[in-house]
Amino acid sequence: GAVVSQHPSRVICKSGTSVKIECRSLDFQATTMFWYRQFPKQSLMLMATSNEGSKATYEQGVEKDKFLINHASLTLSTLTVTSAHPEDSSFYICSALDRGTYEQYFGPGTRLTVT
Amino acid sequence: QKEVEQDPGPLSVPEGAIVSLNCTYSNSAFQYFMWYRQYSRKGPELLMYTYSSGNKEDGRFTAQVDKSSKYISLFIRDSQPSDSATYLCATSSNTGGFKTIFGAGTRLFVKA
Repeated sequence: GAVVSQHPSRVICKSGTSVKIECRSLDFQATTMFWYRQFPKQSLMLMATSNEGSKATYEQGVEKDKFLINHASLTLSTLTVTSAHPEDSSFYICSALDRGTYEQYFGPGTRLTVT
Repeated sequence: QKEVEQDPGPLSVPEGAIVSLNCTYSNSAFQYFMWYRQYSRKGPELLMYTYSSGNKEDGRFTAQVDKSSKYISLFIRDSQPSDSATYLCATSSNTGGFKTIFGAGTRLFVKA
């Protein structure tokens, strides 16, 4: 299957700082990428849909000024958690949509810990 | 009512058993049907992807979609301890923008 990478896989940051997470589709062009958050033993919660060259669409309850999404190219989307707080600690997962097949592939996830 | 209903389990079976995982969905507009496997602390891995009603087989895995009853299934034959994971069903629609809805995930334990 297609490969989606995420970087970093794990990050620890201090409260009040910002953290950037990168999501790359390695072998196909992804005009659409998705950002999810997952709490332990729970399913995926969609945060936003990222479309290349346009503004991201955020789900209800997700602060767009806190979770900045940039999809500058067909293979890269970034999520920046601004002014992070301990309650932002979570597992963040991106996925990329292969427009040719409508298959959605996930990255390995980024575990964020805010101290 | 959730758009995709899935029993979270846990489901525990002995090695070699046939596992049956199921989901129901409510919106007939859903066109694509997927099963993902997620190991602890990892991203979901796409296992099966189908577009229409019927069966799709890949090795020990068979996905089944019945659009008339809005029911999707995943069967695992000769289950192995390495199959122990959370299995997420998902459905997608491209009407008015692409959207995927995930089930809650079923935790499966295969005992050696």
